Amino acid sequence: DTAVSQTPKYLVTQMGNDKSIKCEQNLGHDTMYWYKQDSKKFLKIMFSYNNKELIINETVPNRFSPKSPDKAHLNLHINSLELGDSAVYFCASSQERHRGNTGELFFGEGSRLTVL
Amino acid sequence: TQLLEQSPQFLSIQEGENLTVYCNSSSVFSSLQWYRQEPGEGPVLLVTVVTGGEVKKLKRLTFQFGDARKDSSLHITAAQPGDTGLYLCAESSGYSTLTFGKGTMLLVSP
Repeated sequence: DTAVSQTPKYLVTQMGNDKSIKCEQNLGHDTMYWYKQDSKKFLKIMFSYNNKELIINETVPNRFSPKSPDKAHLNLHINSLELGDSAVYFCASSQERHRGNTGELFFGEGSRLTVL
Repeated sequence: TQLLEQSPQFLSIQEGENLTVYCNSSSVFSSLQWYRQEPGEGPVLLVTVVTGGEVKKLKRLTFQFGDARKDSSLHITAAQPGDTGLYLCAESSGYSTLTFGKGTMLLVSP
């Protein structure tokens, strides 16, 4: 059973299009994340949700809109795609140990987005 | 947000060699996690260190947390091609988030 699964794994699209990436975790975790990994492999937090509520929203263009219908799902919708959005997007989840100390992150396999 | 510096950025070695990679910060870590990311996969946790001076071993991997909790190292003994991957350190920088370093890309050739 896959703990954190995200779809699609690959996405190739034209500039200006709108696309979504879906993520589901079956670990019973309270917190889910979206990270972006650029071509230099730098992994940067985008959003963090705890029990369907947005906690962290880093400096991300508002073309990116996360949505959490329940605590097991966190989807990412991107409007008006730009060339610079090309990256690998990782969903992750964790069970927070205690306030201010993040537990182990469990990552999905990533969704490689290529904008042409 | 704390800045994590990892070195070296790239490392290419032959099977059987030993190596050490480093993770440093100007600030004190509350705790530090090490992850390995293989090509086409998401990062996977290797270890968490919490106490200054702590040493943890995972088979051929030895993790050390500096006494002042501002640095950490990962030493691999007798590297194997299966050790190839991106090694990332990450720090819990506040409520419900991890900040990652830029990683060390390790290539172990047969």
